[in-house]
Amino acid sequence: DADVTQTPRNRITKTGKRIMLECSQTKGHDRMYWYRQDPGLGLRLIYYSFDVKDINKGEISDGYSVSRQAQAKFSLSLESAIPNQTALYFCATSDQGLAGEPINEQFFGPGTRLTVL
Amino acid sequence: RKEVEQDPGPFNVPEGATVAFNCTYSNSASQSFFWYRQDCRKEPKLLMSVYSSGNEDGRFTAQLNRASQYISLLIRDSKLSDSATYLCVVPLYGQNFVFGPGTRLSVLP
Repeated sequence: DADVTQTPRNRITKTGKRIMLECSQTKGHDRMYWYRQDPGLGLRLIYYSFDVKDINKGEISDGYSVSRQAQAKFSLSLESAIPNQTALYFCATSDQGLAGEPINEQFFGPGTRLTVL
Repeated sequence: RKEVEQDPGPFNVPEGATVAFNCTYSNSASQSFFWYRQDCRKEPKLLMSVYSSGNEDGRFTAQLNRASQYISLLIRDSKLSDSATYLCVVPLYGQNFVFGPGTRLSVLP
């Protein structure tokens, strides 16, 4: 079974609709992240969370909200979807690591391809 | 200067060739670095971590130059299966990760 899962894998919706993307992990990691990927722009951070109830804005948080109700789950919402939110969305997790040690790598879910018409 | 910069390529090389990518970063306080591999429309997967001057794993070698603030990835004896986009990742200390735009590699038969 995959360690980081995302649902749905694909979604087509219309402008103005509310959309929720779900991410679940079985790695026991504290830290979770949401990214979007657009051609030629690489991955850009939307929101991240270092613990349950901890929420931090990333580079491009406008138009998005998140919820971290449990260690294993981190959901991303688009309250009113618009066409320029069409992208590939990835959830990722990482371990906090030991104090003073280099930060550990991230593990990614398979991605959600979202199309807003 | 962008936080992480990479040549987008594409690098088109024949099988068996040696190819190298560079990645420059702006945050001199960064302590660890990563190279990820991403296949088309798939999730990024960790290829190598770089915590000190460098790291080697089979045909792959990563080098870190802190003075010039760049890391490199060398692939020897390229295989068709090495065709992918290679992402340079620089964590901001104690916080989150900054991804480069990626370098696309195509290994040709």
